[in-house]
Amino acid sequence: DGGITQSPKYLFRKEGQNVTLSCEQNLNHDAMYWYRQDPGQGLRLIYYSQIVNDFQKGDIAEGYSVSREKKESFPLTVTSAQKNPTAFYLCASRLDGTNQPQHFGDGTRLSIL
Amino acid sequence: QQPVQSPQAVILREGEDAVINCSSSKALYSVHWYRQKHGEAPVFLMILLKGGEQKGHDKISASFNEKKQQSSLYLTASQLSYSGTYFCGTAPGAGNNRKLIWGLGTSLAVNP
Repeated sequence: DGGITQSPKYLFRKEGQNVTLSCEQNLNHDAMYWYRQDPGQGLRLIYYSQIVNDFQKGDIAEGYSVSREKKESFPLTVTSAQKNPTAFYLCASRLDGTNQPQHFGDGTRLSIL
Repeated sequence: QQPVQSPQAVILREGEDAVINCSSSKALYSVHWYRQKHGEAPVFLMILLKGGEQKGHDKISASFNEKKQQSSLYLTASQLSYSGTYFCGTAPGAGNNRKLIWGLGTSLAVNP
C-alpha cells in the first residue's frame, strides 16, 4: 500500500543534541512538507520541497534543517539551536498539479530529556 | 494572512448538525478541509474551489463563498466518529496552491 512513513513515532532529545526525523513516501509525490504542531497552534510550516535537491524555508525554519536527495525522502534535523523542540512533527506529501491534497504521515512526537 | 476558523470549539449530541466556518481577509483560490483526531495524522476531507462549488462527502459537505472569502463545512446528523479537530488550509492562487495557510482549527466533540 502506498503511503507516508514517519519514524520514529517517539523521540527524546538531550540538551545540545541534534536529532533527525525520517519521512519516506512511496506515492511518487513531487512535493513534501514538514510541519510542527503545538497545542492550540494548528500547523506551522517548517520547510517544504517541490523537487529533488531544492527546498524552501517555511514560517518557522530557524533551528531546523532538511535535505531532499531522493524524491521519496525528506528528513528533518532538529538542531541544538532549536531551544524549544518539544512538539508533534508531521510530514506531508503532495502530487504536483492544481488542487491536489496533501497527505500526511502519522507524526513523530519529540520531547526533551 | 492566517484564515480565521469559527467557532473554536463545539460540542454536539449524536445526530445534531454543526457548521464550521473558515474566513480569510485575502482573496482565495481554494480551501482545503482536513479532520485530525488526537495524536493522529490529519485526514483530507475535500477541496473547495473559487466559484462557489459545493461538495459533499457522506454527511459532510462544504461550500465556498467567493464574495465573502469564506468556506463553510456542514456536518449533518453527526456521528461519534466525527469528533476531532477540523482544519482549513487556504491558497490565494493556483500557483500558490503548493503551500497552504492553515487556520488554528475547530475542536468538535460528539457525545452519545
